[in-house]
Amino acid sequence: ILNVEQSPQSLHVQEGDSTNFTCSFPSSNFYALHWYRWETAKSPEALFVMTLNGDEKKKGRISATLNTKEGYSYLYIKGSQPEDSATYLCAFRNTGGFKTIFGAGTRLFVKA
Amino acid sequence: KAGVTQTPRYLIKTRGQQVTLSCSPISGHRSVSWYQQTPGQGLQFLFEYFSETQRNKGNFPGRFSGRQFSNSRSEMNVSTLELGDSALYLCASSLMDSPYEQYFGPGTRLTVT
Repeated sequence: ILNVEQSPQSLHVQEGDSTNFTCSFPSSNFYALHWYRWETAKSPEALFVMTLNGDEKKKGRISATLNTKEGYSYLYIKGSQPEDSATYLCAFRNTGGFKTIFGAGTRLFVKA
Repeated sequence: KAGVTQTPRYLIKTRGQQVTLSCSPISGHRSVSWYQQTPGQGLQFLFEYFSETQRNKGNFPGRFSGRQFSNSRSEMNVSTLELGDSALYLCASSLMDSPYEQYFGPGTRLTVT
């Protein structure tokens, strides 16, 4: 059974704080790790697709790192803004499979 | 380019009925995946279709089925609805030649009473 875990489950920060969350996934048969941002009443929006060990991706104030050997990825948000409030999902896909396993997400609340 | 569309957006059904949900992928995308989200749960994988073939299936009972047409549009059917089937159903499409970056539709909110 493939298990993807995210921590923390929720996070409350003040505007301007920097924060990070963790996604843990199986370290064998790795194919890709995805990060999504899901705002209430909207569709999940792709942030990053990471495929290589040591990958680092950056989009504005958001960045992510990947360690496939130990099975974890970190998502960082620098200088959080209220509009960053959303659920951040990670999803794992293994080689040879055609399904994507999602974690339960980290719910981020940024207070102005 | 138009995004992924799902119809209907909202649906109310009673126990025992059946329902069909529709998903139109982004033009050129041949892979369509379906997910269920219930309160407190992450996205649960239902199945994925590619070129009219189901490539993988999640751990859902046989009441959940799907199909894909030659134009890549996909339908999902749930028979003999149960209260626990109330959920948001999302579909996502992707290109075959990417690392399966998925683009999600707005979802269908199904309520079973």
